[in-house]
Amino acid sequence: GEDVEQSLFLSVREGDSSVINCTYTDSSSTYLYWYKQEPGAGLQLLTYIFSNMDMKQDQRLTVLLNKKDKHLSLRIADTQTGDSAIYFCAQFTGGGNKLTFGTGTQLKVEL
Amino acid sequence: GAVVSQHPSWVICKSGTSVKIECRSLDFQATTMFWYRQFPKQSLMLMATSNEGSKATYEQGVEKDKFLINHASLTLSTLTVTSAHPEDSSFYICSGQGELDTGELFFGEGSRLTVL
Repeated sequence: GEDVEQSLFLSVREGDSSVINCTYTDSSSTYLYWYKQEPGAGLQLLTYIFSNMDMKQDQRLTVLLNKKDKHLSLRIADTQTGDSAIYFCAQFTGGGNKLTFGTGTQLKVEL
Repeated sequence: GAVVSQHPSWVICKSGTSVKIECRSLDFQATTMFWYRQFPKQSLMLMATSNEGSKATYEQGVEKDKFLINHASLTLSTLTVTSAHPEDSSFYICSGQGELDTGELFFGEGSRLTVL
């Protein structure tokens, strides 16, 4: 199958770390992606990880990949109110021709 | 990163009319463009893959006569919603595939269609 699943909602306090999780079924993807969508806007690529990596760090963002469990996570350190958005994980499926998005996790950052 | 521009960003139309949405890659050539549809609080669903100079490939369940896609040049793809009805109201997002090995997609800002 091509399902990509995420938790629907996450609420954290400003300054805390946020961890958004994603599980996927297609293990053939070369890259896995995290996108951010602010209200009424398109998608912004946050980061991506190559499938032969376990971890990638990019400033406040840390991506962890567990290929055995087909689990991907995005950690946002020192979460700010501007991080409030919907976060989608995504992978190419169907032989690499189709970018399949997760169900999206709405992150709410409270003061 | 590369820029993809969509126009219009919001359109309201009467039922039965047709609406055209443009998607332009401003600083790169997009051989392939993708059209997505997003319902409120839901994920993006791929509607079709558009290749420059050839017919679009539609996903299962997407009516090709309803959603006409044209990709006449490497920088422009259009989606026309024909004879729109209220159930076609949605957020439509296009993306262009860059040339990086990462296969990164660059997304437009989205077009919100409201059919009365």
